[in-house]
Amino acid sequence: DQQVKQNSPSLSVQEGRISILNCDYTNSMFDYFLWYKKYPAEGPTFLISISSIKDKNEDGRFTVFLNKSAKHLSLHIVPSQPGDSAVYFCAASERGSNYKLTFGKGTLLTVNP
Amino acid sequence: DVKVTQSSRYLVKRTGEKVFLECVQDMDHENMFWYRQDPGLGLRLIYFSYDVKMKEKGDIPEGYSVSREKKERFSLILESASTNQTSMYLCASSPPRGGFEKLFFGSGTQLSVL
Repeated sequence: DQQVKQNSPSLSVQEGRISILNCDYTNSMFDYFLWYKKYPAEGPTFLISISSIKDKNEDGRFTVFLNKSAKHLSLHIVPSQPGDSAVYFCAASERGSNYKLTFGKGTLLTVNP
Repeated sequence: DVKVTQSSRYLVKRTGEKVFLECVQDMDHENMFWYRQDPGLGLRLIYFSYDVKMKEKGDIPEGYSVSREKKERFSLILESASTNQTSMYLCASSPPRGGFEKLFFGSGTQLSVL
C-alpha cells in the first residue's frame, strides 16, 4: 500500500506562473517531509523540507505547505522558470525511523517559455 | 560539496550473471542507501546501512544483497540478475541524526539485464 501519493504524474505551466505540486500521505507517524528534484540523467537533489510542527516553510521561490489534518502537503514554485522543469518527488520520514525515507512516484513538471 | 560516486553510468548484463554496483561517498557519512527508480513507481528502497558492516532490508530486498566493509563504500550485489531487475539504481548517503533525512544521491546506474 502506497503511503506517499503523488496523484498527478505530470504538470505543465507557463513561465512566470505558479506551479503547485501536491502530495498526500496515509501514515500518521510521518513527522518530516521533503521535496526532491530530479533532472534526467542525474540523481535527485534535496529541495526543501518541513517538520510536522510547522505548516509552512519558505525558501526563495519555493514554499511547502503542510496540512496535517488532511494529511496533505504541497510545493509552490513562484514564479516558475524553464529551469524548474524536472521530476519532483515528495518524501516522508516516520517518527522513530531514523534512516528511512518513503518516496512518492513523482510528478513531472514542465515549465513552458 | 558532498560527492556520491557510482562506478558505472550504464551496465548491460546477461540473465543469471552476478552483478556488482559500487558506490563511494566522500563526506564521512554514516548512512548509505540503495534505491531503484522505475517509471510509475518512484524511488523504492532496497537496502540501507547505518554503519560499517551493518545493513538493513528496505522495501524490496529480494534478489539483492549488500556489502559495507568500509565507511565510504556501499556495494549492491545482484546474486543472479533477472530481467525484472532492469532499472535505474541510485545510491545515496546522509549524515547521522540531525540531517539524516537529507539524502545526497549519486547520478545513478542504468542497468539493463538481457
